[in-house]
Amino acid sequence: DAGVIQSPRHEVTEMGQEVTLRCKPISGHNSLFWYRQTMMRGLELLIYFNNNVPIDDSGMPEDRFSAKMPNASFSTLKIQPSEPRDSAVYFCASSSQGVGGNQPQHFGDGTRLSIL
Amino acid sequence: ILNVEQSPQSLHVQEGDSTNFTCSFPSSNFYALHWYRWETAKSPEALFVMTLNGDEKKKGRISATLNTKEGYSYLYIKGSQPEDSATYLCASITGGGNKLTFGTGTQLKVEL
Repeated sequence: DAGVIQSPRHEVTEMGQEVTLRCKPISGHNSLFWYRQTMMRGLELLIYFNNNVPIDDSGMPEDRFSAKMPNASFSTLKIQPSEPRDSAVYFCASSSQGVGGNQPQHFGDGTRLSIL
Repeated sequence: ILNVEQSPQSLHVQEGDSTNFTCSFPSSNFYALHWYRWETAKSPEALFVMTLNGDEKKKGRISATLNTKEGYSYLYIKGSQPEDSATYLCASITGGGNKLTFGTGTQLKVEL
C-alpha cells in the first residue's frame, strides 16, 4: 500500500520565484496536513483539511502561503513570492477521520526547500 | 502547562539499558496524545495514539502510559538497541479537531 507521496523531494530556487509543493495522501484518508520543520521552531502545523475543506489555517505564516485540496487525492502548498526564510523541510501527512484525533498521522518523505 | 514539553532534550544510553522520556501537555480539553519516532533523514512514524486516562500501549520493547488528569505521558524503551536511536516526538490534541501540537522531541542515541 503506497504511503503519502510528496514531490519534489528537493527544490532549490531563487528568491521571488513561485514554489509549488505537491502531496498525494493515502487512499481512503480524509484528513490532510501540511507541516514545516525548522531548527528554530521544530515541527509546526501550517494548515489541515478534512474532506478537502480547509479547517485550520492559523499556522500559515502570511499571505505568500496558500494551500488547496481540489480533490481527495491531491493537495498543493504554494509560496509566492518565495523568500530565503521560507527554506525548510515541508511535510505532508494524512490520516483517516477519527473522533478527536484518535487516528495516527502518516507522513510523507518531505520536500527540502532552499530559497537562495 | 500551556504547550507540549518533552524531557530530556537528549539522552545517550548504552545498548541494553532501559530508558524513559516524559511528555507534558495541557490537561484541559484533552482529546488525544500521539507518540512518533523520527529517524534522521526520514519522516516521523506513528508509535502510539492514546486517548483515555490510564491508557497503556505496547509495541515490542516500547511502551507508553498516559495520565490525562495531570497532563503527562511516559515512553519507555526496554533493552535499548542502536536501531532505537531516533528523535521521539509527542503531540497532543486539545479542544477537538485534528490539530496536533508537537513537542520539540527527545533525541535518543544508543551506543554499543
